[in-house]
Amino acid sequence: EVQVVESGGGLVQPGGSLRLSCAVSGLSFSNYWMNWVRQAPGKGLEWVANIKPDGSQKYYVDSVKGRFTISRDDAKYSVYLQMNNLRAEDTAVYYCMTGGGYWGQGTLVTVSS
Amino acid sequence: QAVVTQEPSLTVSPGGTVTLTCGSGTGGVTSGHYPYWFQQMPGQVPRTLIYDTGNKHSWTPARFSGSLLGGKAALTLSGAQPEDEAEYYCLLVYSGVVVFGGGTKLTVL
Repeated sequence: EVQVVESGGGLVQPGGSLRLSCAVSGLSFSNYWMNWVRQAPGKGLEWVANIKPDGSQKYYVDSVKGRFTISRDDAKYSVYLQMNNLRAEDTAVYYCMTGGGYWGQGTLVTVSS
Repeated sequence: QAVVTQEPSLTVSPGGTVTLTCGSGTGGVTSGHYPYWFQQMPGQVPRTLIYDTGNKHSWTPARFSGSLLGGKAALTLSGAQPEDEAEYYCLLVYSGVVVFGGGTKLTVL
């Protein structure tokens, strides 16, 4: 059974930083693209970033370029999202999604003073 | 970044058939866009129904199917059940960049 577990969310002030983690089990992690997807309260799904299986390519939605960085550690079956210079509009539940569409339960990020 | 379009809302009768579509602002949708379809109930985590155009997960009810239709990705629900009432999102991939559609609210009535 595939399991995806996010952690690292919380309350942060505007301009602050957070690092989200996503641990995956039950699949051959190193073979999968990994994605971060967010959902603001009452809104639709928004893709944030992804990373290729070998880590050689990373893509971002325009609104987070230069502020967020995705990375992976295949030895730990984990993917990360470093979020800097956070804004109120980054407030959302952040989900980790594997290629093929396995989802975690999400972690809430609230950016507020 | 590209715009992905979905019907904002659709209604289907119990036992009926409905097709949700997913269009691309850059032209026709192909298998190279790796279309995905997700179902989300209120307050719940999205669930992947279809990936890579037409592939199903073990949990995907047989009444759901994915295809390409008229230059769009399509999700067809045959034999709608009350529990299928939900928000449905599609996703397309543009050379690594992923874009979600705005979602279709499906009502079973």
